Amino acid sequence: KQEVTQIPAALSVPEGENLVLNCSFTDSAIYNLQWFRQDPGKGLTSLLLIQSSQREQTSGRLNASLDKSSGRSTLYIAASQPGDSATYLCAVRHHVDTDKLIFGTGTRLQVFP
Amino acid sequence: GEEVAQTPKHLVRGEGQKAKLYCAPIKGHSYVFWYQQVLKNEFKFLISFQNENVFDETGMPKERFSAKCLPNSPCSLEIQATKLEDSAVYFCASSQSRQSNQPQHFGDGTRLSIL
Repeated sequence: KQEVTQIPAALSVPEGENLVLNCSFTDSAIYNLQWFRQDPGKGLTSLLLIQSSQREQTSGRLNASLDKSSGRSTLYIAASQPGDSATYLCAVRHHVDTDKLIFGTGTRLQVFP
Repeated sequence: GEEVAQTPKHLVRGEGQKAKLYCAPIKGHSYVFWYQQVLKNEFKFLISFQNENVFDETGMPKERFSAKCLPNSPCSLEIQATKLEDSAVYFCASSQSRQSNQPQHFGDGTRLSIL
């Protein structure tokens, strides 16, 4: 059974720091992996999607990497800003399973001025 | 539309009553998914559709939950005889296809409170 874990559970940093959020999954046979952010009381905003054949994806200050064989993905946030404060979730779509996404436990990020 | 639209934003029902939630996927997206978020970050997949056909319903509690996606209508998720444990945020998502490069796009959710 696929399990997805995120470390740390919470993170509080001053503005301007570069951050690394970690996501690990127990079964390496994934189809793709998505990173989301969730603001309080809101839905999920898709940030990046990495296909199983890819090693990384970049969008602006965000860079996500994937090491499928070791069951890990990292989300790198450069030059963090208070507007980055949110909960970050990774989710994997299992290769032999259906379309369902299996979500990690989330990292709650607070960036203070 | 350009976003997944879910209504209502908040729904309050007494235990035993019926609850019905709606979702309009992004225009042009053929696949619709429903997820239940219980507690803060515990997401559970419920069901997926390809157009009006059920694709995967392995996550659906069969006794009280049902869902439909009919042509020219919003998709719906209905819960009969609600229980306290049904209190959660229900998210709808849509995607253009099942290709590995297609993300699922989520709506803002419906918060269901059972009293």
